[in-house]
Amino acid sequence: EPEVTQTPSHQVTQMGQEVILRCVPISNHLYFYWYRQILGQKVEFLVSFYNNEISEKSEIFDDQFSVERPDGSNFTLKIRSTKLEDSAMYFCASSGSAGNQPQHFGDGTRLSIL
Amino acid sequence: AQSVSQHNHHVILSEAASLELGCNYSYGGTVNLFWYVQYPGQHLQLLLKYFSGDPLVKGIKGFEAEFIKSKFSFNLRKPSVQWSDTAEYFCAVINNAGNMLTFGGGTRLMVKP
Repeated sequence: EPEVTQTPSHQVTQMGQEVILRCVPISNHLYFYWYRQILGQKVEFLVSFYNNEISEKSEIFDDQFSVERPDGSNFTLKIRSTKLEDSAMYFCASSGSAGNQPQHFGDGTRLSIL
Repeated sequence: AQSVSQHNHHVILSEAASLELGCNYSYGGTVNLFWYVQYPGQHLQLLLKYFSGDPLVKGIKGFEAEFIKSKFSFNLRKPSVQWSDTAEYFCAVINNAGNMLTFGGGTRLMVKP
């Protein structure tokens, strides 16, 4: 069964640095998402992306964050000037359509900000 | 805004016991409903989904869930749990045209052999 893959599995970064989290969605999917889960808290929606633009974003997804589909296979989340509170598990997901097809998740990237 | 509540944060059962995990949501319109499972060290996997039709949906590994619209509930059930069901279970909703999955807080299930 096709999978969403995420790299790296664990990223340790100094506060203030930029990080790029990478995802390869399922190949025939058109909708891409990022979620995060701070330790002990709920999985929270960050952003959805379709047709090379953001289709929806949450309040969490401020100017510090950006997403990009730099080529036909990768989907990246960039976090500029990281803060301690950005430490979390970041999940990428993809789906064939919005709303009426389930989203398939990657294994996540554990981001630790020191 | 939509929200999801899972009332049980931790559940401990013995093998062969029956399971019911509660999920309630709030949203004024039509929603699609999901249960995801996360086994230790693994990614979120879809257990089952409800879009329309029969409110009793069957998923993988013997799980089922019932959508009760009047109660805004989508409880997960399994008649007889196994040790391998030890995992965290997440209820989630999405509105019909939306992109954003809203998750409940998760229920951590431990099944004792």
